[in-house]
Amino acid sequence: GDSVTQMEGPVTLSEEAFLTINCTYTATGYPSLFWYVQYPGEGLQLLLKATKADDKGSNKGFEATYRKETTSFHLEKGSVQVSDSAVYFCAHAHMDSNYQLIWGAGTKLIIKP
Amino acid sequence: NAGVTQTPKFQVLKTGQSMTLQCAQDMNHNSMYWYRQDPGMGLRLIYYSASEGTTDKGEVPNGYNVSRLNKREFSLRLESAAPSQTSVYFCASLWTGGSGYTFGSGTRLTVV
Repeated sequence: GDSVTQMEGPVTLSEEAFLTINCTYTATGYPSLFWYVQYPGEGLQLLLKATKADDKGSNKGFEATYRKETTSFHLEKGSVQVSDSAVYFCAHAHMDSNYQLIWGAGTKLIIKP
Repeated sequence: NAGVTQTPKFQVLKTGQSMTLQCAQDMNHNSMYWYRQDPGMGLRLIYYSASEGTTDKGEVPNGYNVSRLNKREFSLRLESAAPSQTSVYFCASLWTGGSGYTFGSGTRLTVV
């Protein structure tokens, strides 16, 4: 069935380090892909999205590219800040399934000053 | 502020008690969803409503019921709470065109 696999956390980095959080998915057809972020004690916020192959989503310095050939949507940021500490979720959704979101387990990111 | 509003934010229930989690959105969205979030897992869909007057089961519907009262409101009811229902519950609405979702801030439920 459809699924999303993320790298396990926690991921601990120093401020200004380069970030990659891997995400791969299985799905029928070509779903929309999302990264959501959950800051401590808060709800989920959409970070970025991509709706078709080779699309690049970007926001707040984060980027992810929809790679159909590798069924991946890895999240990257060139220089992380302490304020980026949060849990990051990769997810996909398809109109054929009424846009039900299929979620990864989440990756906790800890940035040390 | 436009968005999804959930109440309550926190709740403690005893096993066997019932309660209703409320969710309302003011963005005129058609589709609404209830998810639960458990430690170390992604969110799992409990129920969804593609439009006013319709509801469908998600991945983990057992022990829950829902009501789509009108286009704005989508409530989740636990008829007889169990410790396994201890979780954080999120309501969400789907943007027109299906390009994204807005989530509520969540309800942290503990069943003792």
